[in-house]
Amino acid sequence: DAGVIQSPRHEVTEMGQEVTLRCKPISGHNSLFWYRQTMMRGLELLIYFNNNVPIDDSGMPEDRFSAKMPNASFSTLKIQPSEPRDSAVYFCASSLEPGQAFFGQGTRLTVV
Amino acid sequence: KNEVEQSPQNLTAQEGEFITINCSYSVGISALHWLQQHPGGGIVSLFMLSSGKKKHGRLIATINIQEKHSSLHITASHPRDSAVYICAVRSYNTDKLIFGTGTRLQVFP
Repeated sequence: DAGVIQSPRHEVTEMGQEVTLRCKPISGHNSLFWYRQTMMRGLELLIYFNNNVPIDDSGMPEDRFSAKMPNASFSTLKIQPSEPRDSAVYFCASSLEPGQAFFGQGTRLTVV
Repeated sequence: KNEVEQSPQNLTAQEGEFITINCSYSVGISALHWLQQHPGGGIVSLFMLSSGKKKHGRLIATINIQEKHSSLHITASHPRDSAVYICAVRSYNTDKLIFGTGTRLQVFP
């Protein structure tokens, strides 16, 4: 298995634009997590899905952020409209609950 | 006070040294994870444990549930071990992962 695949690896966008981050979890895993990492706040859990259903989105910073998991092999995290303070590395991870979490390589987002 | 505290924050070592990184937490947990973040940014899950001890190669992780403490040991350290090591606990009540701030390790040849 190729592991958790995220795309794009890097994204630079202008303030106000819509940004979509993508994640393909490891096949067979039933839990998927989106995290954000910044220098100031470290790693933060944004949302997690279990069997494609959002279980806890209390970490999503505000309504500009939304996440979907239309099927077991794909998830998106969307920011609309983006702001400079959204600049961070966004990680996706998957696990076979309650097992070990496997992380993707991350998407480095820069909003200018 | 953070719910997950790691020490030290920064650690330098000579190749071959035995290294210990500590993690203390204040919440009830169902599991504890040790993660490794490489200089390039990628994160690798090293261990998930809920009791006792696990070993993988030169890495050993231990947890003491009563004392709410875990340690990550690296034997015969090598420059390629240089990374940030992150402790994360899964809260028993909320099921969320709570992260420590990480320990930056540099191993010099």
